[in-house]
Amino acid sequence: GAGVSQSPRYKVAKRGQDVALRCDPISGHVSLFWYQQALGQGPEFLTYFQNEAQLDKSGLPSDRFFAERPEGSVSTLKIQRTQQEDSAVYLCASSLGPAGGPGGETQYFGPGTRLLVL
Amino acid sequence: GENVEQHPSTLSVQEGDSAVIKCTYSDSASNYFPWYKQELGKGPQLIIDIRSNVGEKKDQRIAVTLNKTAKHFSLHITETQPEDSAVYFCAAVRSGGYQKVTFGIGTKLQVIP
Repeated sequence: GAGVSQSPRYKVAKRGQDVALRCDPISGHVSLFWYQQALGQGPEFLTYFQNEAQLDKSGLPSDRFFAERPEGSVSTLKIQRTQQEDSAVYLCASSLGPAGGPGGETQYFGPGTRLLVL
Repeated sequence: GENVEQHPSTLSVQEGDSAVIKCTYSDSASNYFPWYKQELGKGPQLIIDIRSNVGEKKDQRIAVTLNKTAKHFSLHITETQPEDSAVYFCAAVRSGGYQKVTFGIGTKLQVIP
C-alpha cells in the first residue's frame, strides 16, 4: 500500500511569508508525528497527534509554528512569518497505534518537505 | 529526558568489509531501539529494531546488539555493498506511555567499491 506522502517536496519562501506543509499518513494510522531535520542532524521532534488530538506540541520552536489534524487523517504544519532559521527538512511520520502502545513504536516516515527561506 | 549519542559521525569502508555504528542512551527506562537508514532526498526508513528483552537480532547482513547494563546498542553491517551508503540513525523509545522518539545525530556511511 501507499506509504506516507508529503507535499510539496520543495518550498522556497521569502522571509516573512507563511507556508503550509501537508502530510498524508498511511491509511488507518492513529499516530502522526512532525519532525524538523536540520542539515547534518537527526530528526528533532516537533509535535504528536493521536487521531485528531494534538497530545504533545512541546517541540514546536515558537508560536509561529502551528499544526493541525482536524479529521484524524491528513495533517498540516503551518509556519507563519518564516525566518531563515526555519530552513530545514520537515518530516512527517505515522504509526499504526498510539505512541507508547501496541503498534505505536514503529514510525514510518514520509520523504520530507525541504523548506528554504530566503 | 532521553539523550542518545551516536558515533562515528562518518564511516568509510571498502566494499565487502563490515561496518559498526555505536549508540548510547541515558534513560534506563528506554526499551525499544529502532535503526533508520536515510538516503539522499528521502525520509528515514526503518531497517531493524530491537527490544530490551533481547540481546541480539539479525536480519540477513544486518544485526543489532543491545547491552542494557551499559546502555549501549550497536548496528553491524556485514559484507557491505555500495547501496548500503547512506546516513544511519539510531533511536531510543520508552514504551508503556507516551514518549518522544529520540534520535542520534546520524552516521554517514560510505562504501567504497
